[in-house]
Amino acid sequence: GAVVSQHPSRVICKSGTSVKIECRSLDFQATTMFWYRQFPKQSLMLMATSNEGSKATYEQGVEKDKFLINHASLTLSTLTVTSAHPEDSSFYICSAREGGFTDTQYFGPGTRLTVL
Amino acid sequence: GEDVEQSLFLSVREGDSSVINCTYTDSSSTYLYWYKQEPGAGLQLLTYIFSNMDMKQDQRLTVLLNKKDKHLSLRIADTQTGDSAIYFCAESIDNFNKFYFGSGTKLNVKP
Repeated sequence: GAVVSQHPSRVICKSGTSVKIECRSLDFQATTMFWYRQFPKQSLMLMATSNEGSKATYEQGVEKDKFLINHASLTLSTLTVTSAHPEDSSFYICSAREGGFTDTQYFGPGTRLTVL
Repeated sequence: GEDVEQSLFLSVREGDSSVINCTYTDSSSTYLYWYKQEPGAGLQLLTYIFSNMDMKQDQRLTVLLNKKDKHLSLRIADTQTGDSAIYFCAESIDNFNKFYFGSGTKLNVKP
């Protein structure tokens, strides 16, 4: 089946630093990838839609200058949290759109970001 | 955003059937999905149903869709302790396949 990986799985950083999270589709090409944020015991909140070769589309209320998204190839999208603060601590999950008949999304295992 | 709602908790005994319910508001949804999330992990696709179907069965899983009432359910037969997790329903409604998730139902299976 379709596999999506994320790296790193966990990251701890100091306040004010930037953190990059990678999302890769391992066995299929994904023209569209999505980034979600999940707070403890809550649902997933869509942050942005990442299209290969074009600018990401951000959901309302998500700061595009803070959460930089780059979708440089059909198998890789990156999310960079710039000047991270403790309130950015969260579980970040990416997904990749497989296309085809079901056109469904496959999710990565998530990245736990802790900002001290 | 779209409104997708689920009950927060469900507790069943091992061997019983579990039924997790979900309601949504957008009638233009194309596919509806059920995902499973175990602690500290990402989401695992369990099953999906196209919006013009009423039912889909996949081994122990049965999905029922009542499009008129905008109600989706997931039935797990012979529930096992390994089924304990959070279950999310989600709908996709546009060409970009944006997903809107419910709040998740935490299923607790007692031995």
